[in-house]
Amino acid sequence: AQSVTQPDIHITVSEGASLELRCNYSYGATPYLFWYVQSPGQGLQLLLKYFSGDTLVQGIKGFEAEFKRSQSSFNLRKPSVHWSDAAEYFCAVGPMDSNYQLIWGAGTKLIIKP
Amino acid sequence: GAGVSQTPSNKVTEKGKYVELRCDPISGHTALYWYRQSLGQGPEFLIYFQGTGAADDSGLPNDRFFAVRPEGSVSTLKIQRTERGDSAVYLCASSQLTSGGAEKYFGPGTRLTVL
Repeated sequence: AQSVTQPDIHITVSEGASLELRCNYSYGATPYLFWYVQSPGQGLQLLLKYFSGDTLVQGIKGFEAEFKRSQSSFNLRKPSVHWSDAAEYFCAVGPMDSNYQLIWGAGTKLIIKP
Repeated sequence: GAGVSQTPSNKVTEKGKYVELRCDPISGHTALYWYRQSLGQGPEFLIYFQGTGAADDSGLPNDRFFAVRPEGSVSTLKIQRTERGDSAVYLCASSQLTSGGAEKYFGPGTRLTVL
C-alpha cells in the first residue's frame, strides 16, 4: 500500500536551534517527493521537491531535504529555525508521470520556543 | 499576479443542506485540483480538472459531491445533502502544467462546518 508517514505530530524547538522533520514513505514506483508548509490562514506552500539527481535538495526559506532510497525517507532540515517557521509541515509523494494525485502525510506541527 | 482564491473562507450549514464552494485559480493555469483536509490529516485528493473536463474524479467520496469548471477557469465544488462528516477544510490548487514536477499553488481553503 502507498503511504506517507510523518512520525512526529508535534515538534518543539528553540529559536536558533536546528530542525529535522522526518518523513518515510511506501510507494511502488520511483516517486516525486515534496515538502509543503501550511501557516495558519495560509495556503499550502511548496518548500522543495525531489525528482532525481542530487539527493540533497535545497528549498526556500533555508530548508533542505535529503532523499535516502535505502531508508525510504525524505527528511526535512533547517540549520537554524526562526520564530516565523512555526507552522505545519507536510510531506507528500506522487507519481512521476503526473501530479494530480499526491499521497500526503498527516503533518508535523512545528512549535518554536523563544 | 493574484494567487488562488477561495470563497467563502468559512461556511456553516445544517445537515441536509446544499453548499457550493468556489475556487478562482491563477490566471492561465490549466490544471485545477480540489482536496479535502480533515483535522489532523493531510489533504485528500478529490478531483482534478484539465481545462473544462474532469480528468480524474476518483477521489470524490460519493455522488453527493460534484464539481464543475465550465469555462476552464473558475471551479465550483457542490455538495448535496450535507452530512456532519463532510465538515473539513476544502482546498483548491492550480498549476500551469500537469507533469509530475509542476508546482501546485494552493488557496487558503474553505472551512465547511456541518451542524
